[in-house]
Amino acid sequence: GENVEQHPSTLSVQEGDSAVIKCTYSDSASNYFPWYKQELGKRPQLIIDIRSNVGEKKDQRIAVTLNKTAKHFSLHITETQPEDSAVYFCGSGSARQLTFGSGTQLTVLP
Amino acid sequence: NAGVTQTPKFRILKIGQSMTLQCTQDMNHNYMYWYRQDPGMGLKLIYYSVGAGITDKGEVPNGYNVSRSTTEDFPLRLELAAPSQTSVYFCASILATGGLLYSGYTFGSGTRLTVV
Repeated sequence: GENVEQHPSTLSVQEGDSAVIKCTYSDSASNYFPWYKQELGKRPQLIIDIRSNVGEKKDQRIAVTLNKTAKHFSLHITETQPEDSAVYFCGSGSARQLTFGSGTQLTVLP
Repeated sequence: NAGVTQTPKFRILKIGQSMTLQCTQDMNHNYMYWYRQDPGMGLKLIYYSVGAGITDKGEVPNGYNVSRSTTEDFPLRLELAAPSQTSVYFCASILATGGLLYSGYTFGSGTRLTVV
Protein backbone atom coordinates (compact mmCIF):
# COMPACT_ATOMS: atom_id res chain seq x y z
CA GLY A 1 0.00 0.00 0.00
CA GLU A 2 0.84 3.68 -0.04
CA ASN A 3 3.51 4.96 2.35
CA VAL A 4 3.66 8.67 3.18
CA GLU A 5 6.52 10.26 5.09
CA GLN A 6 6.23 13.80 6.42
CA HIS A 7 9.00 16.10 7.67
CA PRO A 8 9.68 17.79 9.96
CA SER A 9 7.58 16.52 12.86
CA THR A 10 7.89 19.89 14.63
CA LEU A 11 8.61 23.33 13.21
CA SER A 12 8.95 26.67 14.97
CA VAL A 13 9.15 29.93 13.03
CA GLN A 14 9.05 33.61 13.88
CA GLU A 15 5.90 35.49 12.95
CA GLY A 16 6.25 36.81 9.41
CA ASP A 17 8.72 34.13 8.33
CA SER A 18 7.93 31.31 5.90
CA ALA A 19 7.29 27.68 6.79
CA VAL A 20 7.86 24.66 4.55
CA ILE A 21 6.63 21.12 5.22
CA LYS A 22 7.57 18.23 2.97
CA CYS A 23 6.02 14.86 2.18
CA THR A 24 7.16 11.91 0.09
CA TYR A 25 4.92 9.14 -1.19
CA SER A 26 5.52 5.68 -2.60
CA ASP A 27 2.61 4.85 -4.94
CA SER A 28 3.10 6.30 -8.42
CA ALA A 29 -0.64 5.79 -9.06
CA SER A 30 -1.58 8.40 -6.43
CA ASN A 31 -3.29 11.36 -8.06
CA TYR A 32 -4.58 13.53 -5.23
CA PHE A 33 -2.49 15.36 -2.61
CA PRO A 34 -4.34 17.42 0.02
CA TRP A 35 -3.07 19.31 3.04
CA TYR A 36 -5.09 19.52 6.23
CA LYS A 37 -4.80 21.80 9.25
CA GLN A 38 -5.90 20.44 12.61
CA GLU A 39 -6.18 22.62 15.69
CA LEU A 40 -6.12 20.99 19.12
CA GLY A 41 -9.28 18.97 19.73
CA LYS A 42 -10.77 19.89 16.35
CA ARG A 43 -11.43 18.06 13.10
CA PRO A 44 -8.95 18.24 10.19
CA GLN A 45 -9.78 21.08 7.81
CA LEU A 46 -8.72 21.09 4.16
CA ILE A 47 -6.51 24.10 3.41
CA ILE A 48 -5.28 23.30 -0.08
CA ASP A 49 -5.03 20.34 -2.45
CA ILE A 50 -3.35 19.52 -5.73
CA ARG A 51 -3.94 16.88 -8.36
CA SER A 52 -1.30 14.95 -10.26
CA ASN A 53 -1.75 16.90 -13.51
CA VAL A 54 -0.72 20.17 -11.82
CA GLY A 55 2.75 21.13 -10.56
CA GLU A 56 1.89 24.06 -8.31
CA LYS A 57 -1.15 25.69 -6.74
CA LYS A 58 -1.42 28.85 -4.69
CA ASP A 59 -4.11 30.32 -2.46
CA GLN A 60 -3.15 33.62 -0.85
CA ARG A 61 -0.36 32.83 1.67
CA ILE A 62 -0.47 29.07 1.06
CA ALA A 63 1.07 27.17 -1.84
CA VAL A 64 1.66 23.51 -2.65
CA THR A 65 4.20 22.13 -5.13
CA LEU A 66 4.26 18.62 -6.55
CA ASN A 67 7.18 16.74 -8.12
CA LYS A 68 5.72 13.54 -9.56
CA THR A 69 9.07 12.24 -10.78
CA ALA A 70 10.61 12.43 -7.32
CA LYS A 71 7.30 11.55 -5.62
CA HIS A 72 7.32 14.46 -3.22
CA PHE A 73 5.17 17.48 -2.52
CA SER A 74 5.52 20.45 -0.20
CA LEU A 75 3.38 22.97 1.65
CA HIS A 76 4.62 26.56 1.76
CA ILE A 77 3.13 29.12 4.13
CA THR A 78 4.39 32.69 3.75
CA GLU A 79 4.06 35.62 6.18
CA THR A 80 3.15 33.26 9.01
CA GLN A 81 0.79 34.45 11.73
CA PRO A 82 0.13 33.08 15.26
CA GLU A 83 -3.20 31.64 14.06
CA ASP A 84 -1.26 29.40 11.66
CA SER A 85 -0.07 27.43 14.71
CA ALA A 86 -1.58 23.92 14.40
CA VAL A 87 -0.77 20.39 13.25
CA TYR A 88 -0.57 20.02 9.47
CA PHE A 89 -1.13 16.69 7.70
CA CYS A 90 -0.35 15.79 4.12
CA GLY A 91 -2.30 13.12 2.26
CA SER A 92 -1.60 11.02 -0.80
CA GLY A 93 -3.86 8.71 -2.76
CA SER A 94 -7.07 8.84 -4.72
CA ALA A 95 -10.81 8.98 -4.20
CA ARG A 96 -10.80 5.36 -3.08
CA GLN A 97 -8.09 5.63 -0.42
CA LEU A 98 -6.10 8.45 1.13
CA THR A 99 -3.01 7.82 3.26
CA PHE A 100 -1.93 10.55 5.65
CA GLY A 101 1.47 11.57 6.90
CA SER A 102 2.20 11.60 10.62
CA GLY A 103 1.79 15.35 10.95
CA THR A 104 3.87 18.48 11.59
CA GLN A 105 3.32 20.62 14.68
CA LEU A 106 3.84 24.20 13.48
CA THR A 107 4.37 26.87 16.11
CA VAL A 108 4.49 30.52 15.06
CA LEU A 109 6.32 32.57 17.68
CA PRO A 110 5.14 36.20 18.14
CA ASN B 1 -26.56 21.77 5.44
CA ALA B 2 -24.92 20.14 8.48
CA GLY B 3 -22.06 18.42 6.58
CA VAL B 4 -20.77 15.28 8.34
CA THR B 5 -22.33 14.59 11.74
CA GLN B 6 -20.89 12.12 14.23
CA THR B 7 -22.41 10.85 17.46
CA PRO B 8 -21.56 10.46 20.26
CA LYS B 9 -18.77 13.03 20.82
CA PHE B 10 -17.35 11.18 23.82
CA ARG B 11 -17.75 7.66 25.17
CA ILE B 12 -16.12 5.49 27.80
CA LEU B 13 -16.40 1.73 27.28
CA LYS B 14 -15.39 -1.15 29.47
CA ILE B 15 -13.25 -3.94 27.98
CA GLY B 16 -15.47 -6.40 26.13
CA GLN B 17 -18.39 -4.02 25.61
CA SER B 18 -19.71 -3.15 22.17
CA MET B 19 -20.92 0.10 20.62
CA THR B 20 -21.81 1.75 17.35
CA LEU B 21 -20.38 5.08 16.26
CA GLN B 22 -22.84 6.92 14.06
CA CYS B 23 -21.96 8.99 10.98
CA THR B 24 -24.40 10.85 8.74
CA GLN B 25 -23.77 13.24 5.85
CA ASP B 26 -26.28 15.43 4.05
CA MET B 27 -24.11 16.53 1.11
CA ASN B 28 -25.12 13.63 -1.18
CA HIS B 29 -21.53 12.38 -1.12
CA ASN B 30 -21.11 8.83 -2.38
CA TYR B 31 -17.76 7.89 -0.77
CA MET B 32 -17.50 7.63 3.01
CA TYR B 33 -14.62 6.71 5.33
CA TRP B 34 -13.76 5.89 8.92
CA TYR B 35 -10.36 6.93 10.28
CA ARG B 36 -8.83 6.62 13.73
CA GLN B 37 -6.30 9.04 15.16
CA ASP B 38 -4.14 7.98 18.07
CA PRO B 39 -2.55 10.73 20.25
CA GLY B 40 0.14 12.63 18.39
CA MET B 41 -0.29 10.49 15.30
CA GLY B 42 -1.76 10.74 11.83
CA LEU B 43 -5.02 9.29 10.59
CA LYS B 44 -5.31 5.58 9.83
CA LEU B 45 -8.04 4.29 7.51
CA ILE B 46 -10.30 1.65 9.09
CA TYR B 47 -13.01 1.06 6.45
CA TYR B 48 -14.42 2.89 3.48
CA SER B 49 -17.47 2.71 1.20
CA VAL B 50 -17.89 3.87 -2.38
CA GLY B 51 -21.67 3.64 -2.28
CA ALA B 52 -24.66 2.06 -0.60
CA GLY B 53 -24.16 -1.68 -0.15
CA ILE B 54 -20.41 -1.55 -0.85
CA THR B 55 -17.73 -1.54 1.86
CA ASP B 56 -14.03 -2.35 1.91
CA LYS B 57 -11.23 -2.68 4.43
CA GLY B 58 -8.63 -0.03 4.99
CA GLU B 59 -5.29 -0.21 6.76
CA VAL B 60 -6.51 -1.15 10.29
CA PRO B 61 -9.89 -2.99 10.06
CA ASN B 62 -9.42 -5.62 12.78
CA GLY B 63 -11.94 -5.30 15.63
CA TYR B 64 -14.37 -3.17 13.59
CA ASN B 65 -17.32 -3.68 11.27
CA VAL B 66 -19.26 -1.33 9.02
CA SER B 67 -22.41 -1.26 6.94
CA ARG B 68 -23.75 1.16 4.32
CA SER B 69 -27.45 0.66 3.78
CA THR B 70 -28.10 4.25 2.66
CA THR B 71 -26.06 6.99 0.96
CA GLU B 72 -26.29 9.17 4.06
CA ASP B 73 -25.28 6.79 6.87
CA PHE B 74 -22.08 4.86 7.55
CA PRO B 75 -22.03 3.43 11.12
CA LEU B 76 -18.91 1.87 12.63
CA ARG B 77 -19.39 -1.07 14.98
CA LEU B 78 -16.90 -2.04 17.70
CA GLU B 79 -17.32 -5.56 19.02
CA LEU B 80 -15.52 -6.66 22.20
CA ALA B 81 -13.80 -3.34 22.88
CA ALA B 82 -10.09 -3.47 23.80
CA PRO B 83 -7.79 -0.78 25.29
CA SER B 84 -5.96 -0.63 21.93
CA GLN B 85 -9.14 0.86 20.44
CA THR B 86 -8.84 3.95 22.63
CA SER B 87 -8.61 6.70 20.01
CA VAL B 88 -10.39 9.55 18.29
CA TYR B 89 -12.54 8.34 15.42
CA PHE B 90 -13.27 10.54 12.42
CA CYS B 91 -15.82 9.94 9.70
CA ALA B 92 -15.29 11.63 6.33
CA SER B 93 -17.01 11.86 2.96
CA ILE B 94 -16.40 13.03 -0.60
CA LEU B 95 -18.17 13.19 -3.94
CA ALA B 96 -16.30 11.16 -6.55
CA THR B 97 -16.87 9.35 -9.83
CA GLY B 98 -14.58 6.76 -11.36
CA GLY B 99 -11.72 7.75 -9.07
CA LEU B 100 -12.09 11.47 -9.82
CA LEU B 101 -12.75 13.62 -6.76
CA TYR B 102 -15.21 16.49 -7.09
CA SER B 103 -14.58 17.72 -3.56
CA GLY B 104 -12.01 17.50 -0.80
CA TYR B 105 -12.55 15.14 2.11
CA THR B 106 -15.01 16.63 4.63
CA PHE B 107 -14.49 15.36 8.17
CA GLY B 108 -16.93 15.05 11.05
CA SER B 109 -16.07 16.51 14.46
CA GLY B 110 -14.90 13.17 15.81
CA THR B 111 -15.77 10.70 18.56
CA ARG B 112 -13.33 10.42 21.45
CA LEU B 113 -13.45 6.82 22.71
CA THR B 114 -11.75 5.51 25.83
CA VAL B 115 -11.72 1.78 26.64
CA VAL B 116 -10.97 0.96 30.27
